[in-house]
Amino acid sequence: DQQVKQNSPSLSVQEGRISILNCDYTNSMFDYFLWYKKYPAEGPTFLISISSIKDKNEDGRFTVFLNKSAKHLSLHIVPSQPGDSAVYFCAASESYSSASKIIFGSGTRLSIRP
Amino acid sequence: DSGVTQTPKHLITATGQRVTLRCSPRSGDLSVYWYQQSLDQGLQFLIQYYNGEERAKGNILERFSAQQFPDLHSELNLSSLELGDSALYFCASSVALTRGGEVHYGYTFGSGTRLTVV
Repeated sequence: DQQVKQNSPSLSVQEGRISILNCDYTNSMFDYFLWYKKYPAEGPTFLISISSIKDKNEDGRFTVFLNKSAKHLSLHIVPSQPGDSAVYFCAASESYSSASKIIFGSGTRLSIRP
Repeated sequence: DSGVTQTPKHLITATGQRVTLRCSPRSGDLSVYWYQQSLDQGLQFLIQYYNGEERAKGNILERFSAQQFPDLHSELNLSSLELGDSALYFCASSVALTRGGEVHYGYTFGSGTRLTVV
């Protein structure tokens, strides 16, 4: 039972354009959401997060949108750069806490083409 | 550098064998989380330890076990290995990051151990 779903295994975007990565979740107890980025041969690294009391959070070129009623979140990257080519994992937790278990989606491979 | 150290980086072993993966969490962090990433799969939560005690369990097979020692390093033991156990195994510590005046909780991951069962 996948509680966090990333239905697009891959996405190709032209450099300079907007990349939009989508994520759906099923567990209504999820209260905190995160995006991680992973390069080959490295561990995932934290990118951005959002708590359920917000519907948008920005950090530079990265913006996460949360639609609680639809149980959907998305990550926008604008403008997309070659270094953004990586696998992006959506993740969720039932608690905004350092001790809470995080559930990850299956990832979306983003390729930025010149 | 995430501060989370995993050894070995690569491991090749035969079916039926037993291996031990090691993780040292960030200095002072009491939590250790183990995740498995199989081909084309997401990060599957296996198990969490906090200060030496098991805190949460995920989809961990009975052939797998883990422990956390008094010095807080952790070991993941995989036995009776099968071809399907070939995967990347990640260890993570809890982290609190401050960005834009906000505190973000999450994990910091080690670089993983790539296990190949042949």
